[in-house]
Amino acid sequence: EVQLLESGGGLVQPGGSLRLSCAASGFTFSNHGMSWVRQAPGKGLEWVSGISGSGGTTYYADSVKGRFTISRDNSKNTLYVQMKSLRAEDTAVYYCATHLTMVTTGIHCWGQGTLVTVSS
Amino acid sequence: QSVLTQPPSVSGAPGQRVTISCAGSSSNIGTRYDVHWYQQLPGTAPKVLIYDNTSRPSGVPDRFSGSKSATSASLAITGLQAEDEADYYCQSYDSSLSGVVFGGGTKLTVL
Repeated sequence: EVQLLESGGGLVQPGGSLRLSCAASGFTFSNHGMSWVRQAPGKGLEWVSGISGSGGTTYYADSVKGRFTISRDNSKNTLYVQMKSLRAEDTAVYYCATHLTMVTTGIHCWGQGTLVTVSS
Repeated sequence: QSVLTQPPSVSGAPGQRVTISCAGSSSNIGTRYDVHWYQQLPGTAPKVLIYDNTSRPSGVPDRFSGSKSATSASLAITGLQAEDEADYYCQSYDSSLSGVVFGGGTKLTVL
């Protein structure tokens, strides 16, 4: 069974940093592109960032480019996103998601999400 | 403003058929990239409903079906049931943005 477990969310002040992790199991992690997708309170889904199976190619939404860095450790089956210069508008539930194959394909499975609150 | 455009809400009575549209452009749905649909029940993570335009994962009832034509796609739900009340999102990939794109979501109300 495919499982994605996010961790690292919490309360952070504006301008602060946070690193989210996503532990994956139940599939061959390195064979799949991965993404972070967020959902602000009461809003729709917003794709944040993606990474190829090898980790060699990364993708970012304009809203986070230059502030967020996605990475993965295929030896640990873990996906990360390092978030810096956080703003109030980054407040959201952050979901880890695995793609069918490449990031250009559909999402195969979603994690349960971790809440990030940016507030003073 | 979402790259893919969905109606904010649709509704239908139990047993009826509803459709949810998803309008894109030549840089996403209108290219070789497929459309995928997700269902999000209140307070839960999204779930895959339709992938690769028309395919259903195991466990998804055949009351749900997807289609794609030119720069748009549609999700159809037949035999509407109370438990179908949820938010529905379409998704594709955009070559101009080099990123994954979502529709703004459609809230389905079962009357």
